[in-house]
Amino acid sequence: DADVTQTPRNRITKTGKRIMLECSQTKGHDRMYWYRQDPGLGLRLIYYSFDVKDINKGEISDGYSVSRQAQAKFSLSLESAIPNQTALYFCATSGPRTGGSYEQYFGPGTRLTVT
Amino acid sequence: GENVEQHPSTLSVQEGDSAVIKCTYSDSASNYFPWYKQELGKRPQLIIDIRSNVGEKKDQRIAVTLNKTAKHFSLHITETQPEDSAVYFCAASRFGTGTASKLTFGTGTRLQVTL
Repeated sequence: DADVTQTPRNRITKTGKRIMLECSQTKGHDRMYWYRQDPGLGLRLIYYSFDVKDINKGEISDGYSVSRQAQAKFSLSLESAIPNQTALYFCATSGPRTGGSYEQYFGPGTRLTVT
Repeated sequence: GENVEQHPSTLSVQEGDSAVIKCTYSDSASNYFPWYKQELGKRPQLIIDIRSNVGEKKDQRIAVTLNKTAKHFSLHITETQPEDSAVYFCAASRFGTGTASKLTFGTGTRLQVTL
């Protein structure tokens, strides 16, 4: 089945370390997103990309960067991790705008802990 | 930018009763309103959505209503069952523009259905 996958699924890292979270999809979607989920705060958009050459900041992009290596791959980097970046991170994808559904398909999530 | 408020944050109902979750949005140009369900330890999944050219949409036991004038929309679940226990997120976005796929989520409602 076409799916959205994330690696790693769990990660513990120390303050100041650089870390990369990876997302891959086999749905053939052109749009990809990174969200973080914190208790009581819902899902907040970090970055989004509508195609390989298009990268946009979301509402909480500070401290994060992204790379869209191919249509199917979208990576999130924390250049220097800090404890308040401890959260559950989700990647999501959606199909083309014209004539398509706006449904977003989420990956299984990456639980990141920064000590 | 868009701001979505969601209430209540927690909701407990007895099996068979109805549950209602309400959201308000700030951007009068928003015209697409999906609802996502997230079961414990799982990824969010779309359960129903509505566009601003309709006032109500039903799918079996779930329905969504939209009041554009008041800028609020609600999720209604009838005859609740234990498997309805989950966190529900509302969201809003603009349909038909380059930013149409960028969702702003509410903070979530944890629904517990008791026996």
